[in-house]
Amino acid sequence: GAVVSQHPSRVICKSGTSVKIECRSLDFQATTMFWYRQFPKQSLMLMATSNEGSKATYEQGVEKDKFLINHASLTLSTLTVTSAHPEDSSFYICSAPTREGRYGYTFGSGTRLTVV
Amino acid sequence: DQQVKQNSPSLSVQEGRISILNCDYTNSMFDYFLWYKKYPAEGPTFLISISSIKDKNEDGRFTVFLNKSAKHLSLHIVPSQPGDSAVYFCAASVGGSNYKLTFGKGTLLTVNP
Repeated sequence: GAVVSQHPSRVICKSGTSVKIECRSLDFQATTMFWYRQFPKQSLMLMATSNEGSKATYEQGVEKDKFLINHASLTLSTLTVTSAHPEDSSFYICSAPTREGRYGYTFGSGTRLTVV
Repeated sequence: DQQVKQNSPSLSVQEGRISILNCDYTNSMFDYFLWYKKYPAEGPTFLISISSIKDKNEDGRFTVFLNKSAKHLSLHIVPSQPGDSAVYFCAASVGGSNYKLTFGKGTLLTVNP
């Protein structure tokens, strides 16, 4: 079935640095990629929607200058957390809609970001 | 405003018994509902979905029931197995299966041997 490969699985970075998270669709083309963030004991919250070849759409309250999204090809979308702070520590997950009937969406395996 | 609510943060059942996970929603525009299973430090994996034109969908041990008038859906797992222990998320979307999802907070299911 459709697979979304997400890297890195976990990253620890210093406060003030930037971190890039990649999501690649394998064996299918992802014209759209959804980026979620999950804090402990909370639901997955949609941060932004990226579309290949156009600007990402950000949800209310999400700083577009802080969370840079690039969707330069049909198989790769990236999220860069710029000038990371400890409060950005969270679990980030990408998801792409697929055409595989009942499945609808395929999620990446997630990235655990810890900012120290 | 939490449009998708899973009011039980946890549920514990015995192996072989039925697990019932509940989900309520407030947005009447939602027309597609999905259940996902998630293990720690992993992305969610799809379990089962249901369109708003149906009231039941079954797939092996998993059945999802939808009560549109009550804006309520439930996931039944029978018989429950220890490997079912995970966090289960209810999600909903507007406009079919390829639009953004709104998730509940999840319910931690523990199936005891």
